[in-house]
Amino acid sequence: QVQLVESGGGLVKPGGSLRLSCAASGFTFSDYYMSWIRQAPGKGLEWVSYISSGGSNIYYADSVKGRFTTSRDNAKNSLYLQLNSLRAEDTAVYYCVRGYSGIRQWGQGTLVTVSS
Amino acid sequence: DIQMTQSPSTLSASVGDRVTITCRASQSIDNWLAWYQQKPGKTPKLLIYKASSLESGVPSRFSGSGSGTEFTLTISSLQPDDFATYYCQQYNSYSRTFGQGTKVDIK
Repeated sequence: QVQLVESGGGLVKPGGSLRLSCAASGFTFSDYYMSWIRQAPGKGLEWVSYISSGGSNIYYADSVKGRFTTSRDNAKNSLYLQLNSLRAEDTAVYYCVRGYSGIRQWGQGTLVTVSS
Repeated sequence: DIQMTQSPSTLSASVGDRVTITCRASQSIDNWLAWYQQKPGKTPKLLIYKASSLESGVPSRFSGSGSGTEFTLTISSLQPDDFATYYCQQYNSYSRTFGQGTKVDIK
């Protein structure tokens, strides 16, 4: 069965950096676009980024453009999100999801807290 | 980026009620729209894709309609398991955006 397991979340100070990872299993990872979606505590969903199956096409929301970088390693069945210049408003649960249209598979999420 | 606006933000209803949630896009998205249900502490669940296609395993009381800029999610007879927050999401353009959500609670 499809499994998406995020890791790397935690508490970081404003201006700091963090790298999130997502380990995928149960499907041919290299066949699929992958995305990151976040949800601030008690708030709605925000699409952060998606990356094409080969890694050449990447989208970023305006709110993270220039600060976040999405990458993937198809040999390791892994997706990554590098978060730099973090702000308080980046505090959220970050979900790794399969696809970039209607999303059927979600990871359990990893919490990123930006606070001094 | 395309903006998605849901209404209402909160909806109070009773079991058995017919419930309709509206989602409006800031520009035409053809029928590239999905609807999700999210319960507290859980990940969202896909209900509808391509505006009106029912996801496998989703009860038939859920239906979606619309095209262009105006869309609706209808629950024909609200069940206790349906009290949750619902989100629309467009996937027409290069960008991807969600509506702000509609919370359906008990009247």
